[in-house]
Amino acid sequence: DIQMTQSPSSMSVSLGDTVTITCRASQDVGIYVNWFQQKPGKSPRRMIYRATNLADGVPSRFSGSRSGSDYSLTISSLESEDVADYHCLQYDEYPPTFGGGTKLELK
Amino acid sequence: EVQLVESGGGLVQPGRSLKLSCAASGFTFSDYYMAWVRQAPTKGLEWVASISYDGGSTYYRDSVKGRFTISRDNAKSSLYLQMDSLRSEDTATYYCTTEAGHFWGPGTMVTVSS
Repeated sequence: DIQMTQSPSSMSVSLGDTVTITCRASQDVGIYVNWFQQKPGKSPRRMIYRATNLADGVPSRFSGSRSGSDYSLTISSLESEDVADYHCLQYDEYPPTFGGGTKLELK
Repeated sequence: EVQLVESGGGLVQPGRSLKLSCAASGFTFSDYYMAWVRQAPTKGLEWVASISYDGGSTYYRDSVKGRFTISRDNAKSSLYLQMDSLRSEDTATYYCTTEAGHFWGPGTMVTVSS
């Protein structure tokens, strides 16, 4: 199975920060990486699809990028509503695998 | 408006069965691969099973192969997960989702405990 190693597992942040979360794939997954935001008690929401594409309705302060086998989600000028858990997903091959998640917490 | 609504969760004893359902609306159900994803309490997301557009192909994670069966009824825009021989480690919130997570339901909780 493809491993998606997500880091950091948690991050203490301040409003206005630029935040970057990374997933490293254990083998080539091409562009087939999505990023999800999940708030407590809620289902995940797709934020980025195919590594770099902003999903419908997602603020432009969110962006996705790829460098080799590293995939990153960046949040510019963090707002309070962005404090949540974030998950990456590779769906290049079965089984689809998620990263371990990143929990953003306010300082 | 796209909606996925799961049902069928609950408390079940180890070794027993449970069938989850997911009712879809607001999009062309038969145009999407569908999947079940679960999340154990305080844990990350875990893909469980997927099914192709017409149900002709199914895929499972190793830990549920032979115990879980995913199916769909495109005429009813519905997705199902038959879960047999349940184990305590199957305890989780189960989400119905389009493959790759475009749309998600609110989830249904399954607790396997004696």
